[in-house]
Amino acid sequence: QVLLQQSGPGLVKPSQTLSLTCAISGDSVSSQTSGWVWIRQSPSRGLEWLGRAYFRAYWFKDFAYFVDSRMTINADTSKNVFSMELKSVTPEDTAVYFCARDVSAAGYFDFWGQGTRVTVSS
Amino acid sequence: DIQMTQSPSSLSASETDRVTITCQASQAIGIYLNWYQQKPGKAPKLLISDASTLESGVPSRFNGSGSGTRFSLTINSLQPEDFGTYFCQQFHGLPYSFGQGTTLDFK
Repeated sequence: QVLLQQSGPGLVKPSQTLSLTCAISGDSVSSQTSGWVWIRQSPSRGLEWLGRAYFRAYWFKDFAYFVDSRMTINADTSKNVFSMELKSVTPEDTAVYFCARDVSAAGYFDFWGQGTRVTVSS
Repeated sequence: DIQMTQSPSSLSASETDRVTITCQASQAIGIYLNWYQQKPGKAPKLLISDASTLESGVPSRFNGSGSGTRFSLTINSLQPEDFGTYFCQQFHGLPYSFGQGTTLDFK
């Protein structure tokens, strides 16, 4: 059984950086058969896939164009976690953020974190 | 971007009813389509992958079909635990995208 435990602040000020971490148990962040994604959900925009990272001899990373220049995903193999940073946030980035496992980095999200409600407000 | 459009956006049904939710893609996506169920305050749960493959543990009353641009999720003989919101998701191309959701509640 794979468990994903999210951590990070629920309130971020406009123009600052949103940082979230997803701790993995039951799988490895550097697994050659898994990928790791961030997805967010808001009433106005629904579910949005933000980006992914997966390891196949080296790290591959992809991002949605609408966050591409602002988002990074990193993996820490010593702690078996992956994290995201979203820079220069605005109120439009207010959402529930989920981490999830992407089976074979092929687009199937079979295990999810519990979600973190993030509000961007001063 | 591939746009996913679900219909209806909401529906009410009774126990033992059969309901169908449809999902249309803005371009052909083969069978690169998943269905999720989400309960309030929880993360989505993967129900069906590759348009019609039931995930382990998902009851056989759930049935997915379709290919190309039109897909459907049918729930036969609704049970009380089936309430929630259902989403389709395409994984034909990046960025992966979701439908806006169909909320199923009980009459």
